[in-house]
Amino acid sequence: DQQVKQNSPSLSVQEGRISILNCDYTNSMFDYFLWYKKYPAEGPTFLISISSIKDKNEDGRFTVFLNKSAKHLSLHIVPSQPGDSAVYFCAARKRVGSSNTGKLIFGQGTTLQVKP
Amino acid sequence: NAGVMQNPRHLVRRRGQEARLRCSPMKGHSHVYWYRQLPEEGLKFMVYLQKENIIDESGMPKERFSAEFPKEGPSILRIQQVVRGDSAAYFCASSLSGLSTDTQYFGPGTRLTVL
Repeated sequence: DQQVKQNSPSLSVQEGRISILNCDYTNSMFDYFLWYKKYPAEGPTFLISISSIKDKNEDGRFTVFLNKSAKHLSLHIVPSQPGDSAVYFCAARKRVGSSNTGKLIFGQGTTLQVKP
Repeated sequence: NAGVMQNPRHLVRRRGQEARLRCSPMKGHSHVYWYRQLPEEGLKFMVYLQKENIIDESGMPKERFSAEFPKEGPSILRIQQVVRGDSAAYFCASSLSGLSTDTQYFGPGTRLTVL
């Protein structure tokens, strides 16, 4: 049961243009969402997060949008740079409580290639 | 401030041997999570520990896998009698607290190859 889905395995974008990575989820109990970037042979690096009480969070070139009614979030990178080429993982977390311990549920990842 | 440390970075074992993976969380962090990434897949949660306690092991295989986070020293993920299907990248993450909004920071991973 894939609760977090990234339906595009790969994306190719020209340097300077916008990269849009998409993520869908099925569990309405998720209340916190994160994006991680991963280079080969390294661990995931935290990029940006968003709480379910917001619909947008921005940090420099990175913006995450959350559409709760559609159970969809997206990561926008503007402008894209060759160094952004990596695998991007979307992750979701249920509210920590008596039955939830805060573990992250990851999507399958999208490989972004930014061409010079 | 050192990040999350994992060792070894690469581990090769023959079928039936034991594998021990170590994780030192970031300074001040007392919450540790282990995840596994199989080839061409996303990361899958295995276990969540605080010092001396296993909080959530719902992602751990029922047999051969165990984890600990002692009062002193790193967290250990132990795999007994390894099989080829255990070949994967194992990542450890740590956080300051267990709050929903607390970020988990990942180590570089241990790549286990079972021959």
